[in-house]
Amino acid sequence: KQEVTQIPAALSVPEGENLVLNCSFTDSAIYNLQWFRQDPGKGLTSLLLIQSSQREQTSGRLNASLDKSSGRSTLYIAASQPGDSATYLCAVRLTSGTYKYIFGTGTRLKVLA
Amino acid sequence: DVKVTQSSRYLVKRTGEKVFLECVQDMDHENMFWYRQDPGLGLRLIYFSYDVKMKEKGDIPEGYSVSREKKERFSLILESASTNQTSMYLCASQLGVAGRETQYFGPGTRLLVL
Repeated sequence: KQEVTQIPAALSVPEGENLVLNCSFTDSAIYNLQWFRQDPGKGLTSLLLIQSSQREQTSGRLNASLDKSSGRSTLYIAASQPGDSATYLCAVRLTSGTYKYIFGTGTRLKVLA
Repeated sequence: DVKVTQSSRYLVKRTGEKVFLECVQDMDHENMFWYRQDPGLGLRLIYFSYDVKMKEKGDIPEGYSVSREKKERFSLILESASTNQTSMYLCASQLGVAGRETQYFGPGTRLLVL
């Protein structure tokens, strides 16, 4: 059974720091992986989607990498800002033929001004 | 931009009531999803639909049903609300095209069952 883990559960960093959020999954047979951010009491906003054939995706200050063989993805945030404070979740879609996604429980990030 | 709207942001219901949560998307997406989000458990899939009138059970379908009569609208029904269904409910939609599977979420409905 696929399990998705995000460690640490919470993280505080000073403004301007580059940081890495981690996502681990137990079964490497994934179709794609998506990173989201969630602000308190709100829905999820998609940040990056990586297909299983890709190694990384970039959007602005965000870079997500995928290493299927080791069951890991990282989200790199460059030059962090207080506005980046949110919970970051990763989700893996199981292999093609199903639309099911398994979500991690998230990393709560606080960027201190 | 894709817009996914949910009928209520907050809802308070009594045990045993029938509850309807509605979700509407405006981008002609084939796939729609209902999740619930609980502290420490993350998001769990209740049901998803890949076409009008088509649905599949997710991981926790017990006590819920769904309806998709029109492509843009996906309803979640709690047949007889119970206190353990108090949760944040999130709807999402997704284009059913390979390589474009980004999920777009609504703002969520926080349901309290008394």
